[in-house]
Formats: sequence, C-alpha cells, structure tokens
Amino acid sequence: QLVLTQSPSASASLGASVKLTCTLSSGHSSYAIAWHQQQPEKGPRYLMKLNSDGSHSKGDGIPDRFSGSSSGAERYLTISSLQSEDEADYYCQTWGTGPWVFGGGTKLTVL
Amino acid sequence: EVQLVESGGGLVQPGGSLRLSCAASGFPFSNYWMSWVRRAPGKGLEWVANINQDGSEKHYVDSVRGRFTISRDNAKSSLYLQMNSLRAEDTAIYYCARVSPTTPSNNYWGQGTLVTVSS
Repeated sequence: QLVLTQSPSASASLGASVKLTCTLSSGHSSYAIAWHQQQPEKGPRYLMKLNSDGSHSKGDGIPDRFSGSSSGAERYLTISSLQSEDEADYYCQTWGTGPWVFGGGTKLTVL
Repeated sequence: EVQLVESGGGLVQPGGSLRLSCAASGFPFSNYWMSWVRRAPGKGLEWVANINQDGSEKHYVDSVRGRFTISRDNAKSSLYLQMNSLRAEDTAIYYCARVSPTTPSNNYWGQGTLVTVSS
C-alpha cells in the first residue's frame, strides 16, 4: 500500500534553514512526489515536483529558498533563510494509478 | 493567469445534498485531469476524487464512493462535485486542483469552498 509519512511538526529560527522529510512506503521508493504549502486561512500552494533522483521542478513564483532532494525512499523539502510567512503546513503528495495520496502534513513553526 | 474558483458550499443537514462547482480559466481545461481535495477541521489534506480529460475515468476515496460524483463540462471549463447523503464527517473546505506530474512547473489550487454538515 502506497503511504507517505511526515513528521507532524518542525520548528526553526527566523533566517535559519529547515529540512522537512516525506518517506515513501516500502516498494515505492521510485515514486515522484509533489510538495505543497498551506498557510493559515489560505488555499494550498503547489511548491514543486520532486523526482527520485532529486531533480525537481518548482511552480510559478516559488522562491529559490525552496529546494528539494531525494535519498532512497526519502523526499526532502529544504527551506533556507526562513521568513515568517514560511510558517505553514507542508504536505507531500504522490500519484497512484488514479488516486492521489497525501502525507499527514508537517506544521512548521518559525521561531 | 490560471484561476480555479470554487463555489456552492454552505450549511446542509445530515443526509442532504450539495453541488460544488469549480470555474477554471487561463489554461486549456479539456487537456487536464482535475481533482477535488478537502481539509476537515483540525485534519490534513485528503484527496476526494479526480476525473480524466474527457470524463471517462473517475476515481474516488473509499469514504465518498457511492455518495459523491465528480463530473466536468469542458465547454464551460467547469468541474463539479455532486455530494449526496452528506455526513458530519464530510464537513471541510473543498478545493479544486490541477496538479499533474506531466506539468511540473505549473500546477494550481483554488481557494476553496466551505461545506458544513450539521443539524
């Protein structure tokens, strides 16, 4: 069964960097994922598609501070030079044969 | 500019029905799979349903299969979600989304419409 696992919470200081992790279930380590951001009281925003080899394509207007990388079944989202507006929920998502699968989301707090 | 604008949400009693709409603009709507995703209070994002370009293929999350129907009108660049036999646990903000692995540089979400199921 295709499952994406994320830590429920993360925190980092203003101006620092943070690396969020999304883990694909066994047997699915070749899957590409997408990262999405949802700020409080807003609709989700697509950040990027991240492939198993670490290559990624960012969405319109996504700052260079956002980057992605991969290692085995792990998919990472790194946010550098953290700003207050980066405080949000971050979700990974992948495409099954028709249905989508979301991770549980990581709530990022900027200290 | 790509826009996805949802409408049709509101307050409905358990067992009732609602039809959500998503008006798309700024891209060739008929070329894309489209999806509905929801976020219930205090929960994360949950994929609800999606539909292929000509409406011949549809998929649903188990919890809504048989109660919800996704459809589209390519002539009107519109996506729909007919929701029947609504339950309290269907209370959520419903989002329309165009997120395709084949267009990795441009994928989009709407701002959502709130559905509240309560007596």
